[in-house]
Amino acid sequence: KQEVTQIPAALSVPEGENLVLNCSFTDSAIYNLQWFRQDPGKGLTSLLLIQSSQREQTSGRLNASLDKSSGRSTLYIAASQPGDSATYLCAVGRHALNFGKGTSLLVTP
Amino acid sequence: EAQVTQNPRYLITVTGKKLTVTCSQNMNHEYMSWYRQDPGLGLRQIYYSMNVEVTDKGDVPEGYKVSRKEKRNFPLILESPSPNQTSLYFCASSLKRERYEQYFGPGTRLTVT
Repeated sequence: KQEVTQIPAALSVPEGENLVLNCSFTDSAIYNLQWFRQDPGKGLTSLLLIQSSQREQTSGRLNASLDKSSGRSTLYIAASQPGDSATYLCAVGRHALNFGKGTSLLVTP
Repeated sequence: EAQVTQNPRYLITVTGKKLTVTCSQNMNHEYMSWYRQDPGLGLRQIYYSMNVEVTDKGDVPEGYKVSRKEKRNFPLILESPSPNQTSLYFCASSLKRERYEQYFGPGTRLTVT
C-alpha cells in the first residue's frame, strides 16, 4: 500500500525566507503527484500537478520537483509571505490519490 | 466558474438519522470521488466513480453509499450515521481518474451525536 510521508509536520519561518517542504512515497508506480494548500476549516486548493514523466513544475513563487525513482518530491516556496500560512498536502496518484498528513506552515511578519 | 460544490457545508445530526451530502461539478468531469479527513489520519478515499452508473469502493467505504445517475452529481449517503462518522468530508472531481488534476469541493463538516 502506498505510504506518503511529509516532513516536517510543522514549520515556522519569518517573512521573506525561502523554504522547502518535503514529500516521500513508497511506491514509485505513480501517474502524477499533486501539491495542495488547505487553509483552516477550508477545502483543498490545487497548487501544482507534476506528471510522472516530468521533473518539475513552476507557478509563480512555487516550484515543485519530482524524483520518481527515489520516491521524493519537494515544494519550494520563494520569498515567503504571511499569506502563505496554511497546511500543504502532497498527494500521489495512481488509482486514487494517497495523501500525506501535511506540513503546517506559519510565516510570521 | 469551474467548481465543485457541496451541500450542506455544516451538519449536526443524531445517530441513525439518514442523511445525504450532495456534490456537483460543472466541468463535465468523468471521475468523482469522496474523501474524509480526520485528525492524525489525513485524507482517505471513501468511494469513487469512473463515470455515470460506475462506482467502486475506496479505502474506507463502510457505512456509506453513493450513486452516480448523472455525470455532474455524486451524492454521499449515510443510511444510519454513527458518531465515528463525524468528520470533514470532501468531494473531488477530475477529467478522468489517471493523470489529471483533481479539484476539491469546499468540504462538509459533519457531526453525529
